[in-house]
Amino acid sequence: AQSVTQLGSHVSVSEGALVLLRCNYSSSVPPYLFWYVQYPNQGLQLLLKYTSAATLVKGINGFEAEFKKSETSFHLTKPSAHMSDAAEYFCAVSESNDYKLSFGAGTTVTVRA
Amino acid sequence: DAGVIQSPRHEVTEMGQEVTLRCKPISGHDYLFWYRQTMMRGLELLIYFNNNVPIDDSGMPEDRFSAKMPNASFSTLKIQPSEPRDSAVYFCASSAARQPQHFGDGTRLSIL
Repeated sequence: AQSVTQLGSHVSVSEGALVLLRCNYSSSVPPYLFWYVQYPNQGLQLLLKYTSAATLVKGINGFEAEFKKSETSFHLTKPSAHMSDAAEYFCAVSESNDYKLSFGAGTTVTVRA
Repeated sequence: DAGVIQSPRHEVTEMGQEVTLRCKPISGHDYLFWYRQTMMRGLELLIYFNNNVPIDDSGMPEDRFSAKMPNASFSTLKIQPSEPRDSAVYFCASSAARQPQHFGDGTRLSIL
């Protein structure tokens, strides 16, 4: 069975600073990995996905994530935070032979002016 | 391009009442998922369908919950009778095979 751990339930960054959100996963088979973002009172929107192609994945809004099998990690980064990045971010894993998504607990990002 | 459409967006009802949540998936998607989001338990998968057939309902909390998908463009999640602990945001998502899931905006359910 797959699972996801997101380190840090809250992250506060200054506008223009690096955003780093940590995600570690466990999976018994090659995983599919995803980052989703949730704005208040909205559903989840896909930021990016890893499906066993390139280990560095670029997503929307300037976000990217790197798959590191040796560390079982899939951390999300953005070089320069913008006020509009304030939201909750979820890491999710799906095993390659399944369609079920397991989500992490989420990380809330606040951006200081 | 219409996304996943859920209705109602908000529902407030009294304990013991029947609640029906509705979902219209994206046209052409053959997978449909129901999730529940709470502060305590985060996002939980309740059930998912493939080609209108329930594949895995192991996340459905108890017999008070039921889900149906009578056709490719409509699904319902029903709670009967409802209890205060069912209060949560319920999301529907759909996807094509081996593609990321697209989420609706959710139904915020409050059981008094």
